[in-house]
Amino acid sequence: GIQVEQSPPDLILQEGANSTLRCNFSDSVNNLQWFHQNPWGQLINLFYIPSGTKQNGRLSATTVATERYSLLYISSSQTTDSGVYFCAVEGNSNDYKLSFGAGTTVTVRA
Amino acid sequence: GAVVSQHPSRVICKSGTSVKIECRSLDFQATTMFWYRQFPKQSLMLMATSNEGSKATYEQGVEKDKFLINHASLTLSTLTVTSAHPEDSSFYICSASFSGGSYNEQFFGPGTRLTVL
Repeated sequence: GIQVEQSPPDLILQEGANSTLRCNFSDSVNNLQWFHQNPWGQLINLFYIPSGTKQNGRLSATTVATERYSLLYISSSQTTDSGVYFCAVEGNSNDYKLSFGAGTTVTVRA
Repeated sequence: GAVVSQHPSRVICKSGTSVKIECRSLDFQATTMFWYRQFPKQSLMLMATSNEGSKATYEQGVEKDKFLINHASLTLSTLTVTSAHPEDSSFYICSASFSGGSYNEQFFGPGTRLTVL
């Protein structure tokens, strides 16, 4: 199956700092999603981004499908940004299944 | 929109009992739902794909007789953990696929924390 690698595994930020999270995948994909898992376990949809660039407030994401990677940018980080960020991809087998990366654990300190 | 609920949010049961978890898409119809399991400090692992009106398909290594899945309607899928044992303790998460053409976005329920004593 498709392999998904996220980096870095852990990230500690001071409030107000900017950061970039990376997601590499091993094959072409139909879809790619970024999620934030909050401390209660809920996965929150951040971006649906199989290609291109999107922005939502302080967050933005870019997927370069031809080079098999996606980036998630967090600007002016806040303590509420803490949690685990997952990248998940759907391969091109048209079965809608998502393969998840191991996640990046972000800790934002006040 | 695109809200998925799960019930119960937390369950504690004795070894040998069965536990049913419900997953509902509240504001859209989902022909396909998914069940995941997540152990502490780990990522989500897909257990099975639940298709409305047909049998679920299970990932390799997942016992279909232990994890019974029923997708009775376009808004409801259930996962029953039969004869639960302590090693089945985990965080179970469902998702529903909101799709059309090449577009397919999954939305996740809040999860069910199962503890088997």
